[in-house]
Order: sequence, then C-alpha cells, then structure tokens
Amino acid sequence: GENVEQHPSTLSVQEGDSAVIKCTYSDSASNYFPWYKQELGKGPQLIIDIRSNVGEKKDQRIAVTLNKTAKHFSLHITETQPEDSAVYFCAAISQGPNSGYALNFGKGTSLLVTP
Amino acid sequence: DAGVIQSPRHEVTEMGQEVTLRCKPISGHNSLFWYRQTMMRGLELLIYFNNNVPIDDSGMPEDRFSAKMPNASFSTLKIQPSEPRDSAVYFCASSLRGTSGNEQYFGPGTRLTVT
Repeated sequence: GENVEQHPSTLSVQEGDSAVIKCTYSDSASNYFPWYKQELGKGPQLIIDIRSNVGEKKDQRIAVTLNKTAKHFSLHITETQPEDSAVYFCAAISQGPNSGYALNFGKGTSLLVTP
Repeated sequence: DAGVIQSPRHEVTEMGQEVTLRCKPISGHNSLFWYRQTMMRGLELLIYFNNNVPIDDSGMPEDRFSAKMPNASFSTLKIQPSEPRDSAVYFCASSLRGTSGNEQYFGPGTRLTVT
C-alpha cells in the first residue's frame, strides 16, 4: 500500500518568513495529493491540492510542487502570519475506477509562526 | 452549505459502555469516511462507504467497532463495548466521487474519552 512520509514534524518560523513542508510517497500510481490544515480543536481543512498532470499550483500565499519522478511533493507558505500556525497534513491517493479510494496521510507538521 | 455535521462533539463514557457517533455528510456527496486521530498513530482511516455501501473496512480495529450508513444523509460509528484505548478524536469526512475531484471534507470531530 501507499506510504507517505512527512518532514519536518515541527517547524518554527518568524512572521513574514517562508515555510516549506515536504512529503514523499511510495506508490507510483498515486495521482492526487491534497494538503490539509488542522487548527486546534477542529477537523482538517483542505487548503490546496495537486494532481499528477501538473508540477506546481499556487493559491495566493500557498503553493504546492510535485516531482513525480522523485515521488515527492512540497507545500510552500510565503509571508507567513501567526494565523498560519496549525498542524499541516499531506496525503496521497491513487484515484481511478479500479483503485483504492483511501487518503494516506503523513504524520503531520506542527507549524508555529511567531510574531 | 453546513458542511459535514458530527454529533456529539464530546463524549465521556465508562469502560464497557456502548458509544454511538453520528455523521451527516454534505448534501449530494456519495462517499463517506470515518477516521480516528490519536497522537501516537495520527489519522487512520477506519472505514469508507460509497453510495451507502461499505467499500473498505480493513481499518476497523476489531469487532467491537461497527459502522452503518442506512441512507445517503446519515452514518453511525458504534463501539461496543468501549475501552480506554478507544479514546481519540473521531472524524467523519465526505466527498463526491467522480472522474475528477474527490476532495474530502472533514467534520469537526467527536472527542471520545473512555474512562
């Protein structure tokens, strides 16, 4: 099955700096890679995703890159703000009519943005 | 849209008691997922349904756990009898499975404490 590794487990940055979280996956058939943000006491919230037919996707201060050859993908947050502080999860899934349908999550990265 | 609704938000029960967690998926979604989150194991998929039919329950820890989806707008996760090691946050998520998309949206979770 799919195995998703996520690094680092904790990350502390100063407000305004950039933050990068990296994930690797094992199943070359994986083709959908979402990122979730989980704030304290809340459920994970989908913030951005990328599919295997593109290499990069941006949404304001957030971007995700995908390297299918190396089987890794990364989340980039620029101009970080204190409200970006949360736990971030990456996930991978192989989607298709005959494939499994479960999201395989990384262990999470606790991001702290200090003012 | 109200999003995925879960109840109760918090549940405290004694070991040996039956616990029932409830979930209402987003209207129009055809897939529903139950996850468990703990510090030690992270986010684990317990079971998922597609069009009210259980597709994969390999993540259900043991026979004490059961899940049902009697219709497209309601699902339950039952633990009987409960044990202290079942203490965790249980999330329900839903998605619209199709040829594209498949983004999963999580509910706020139920924090279960078994004493």
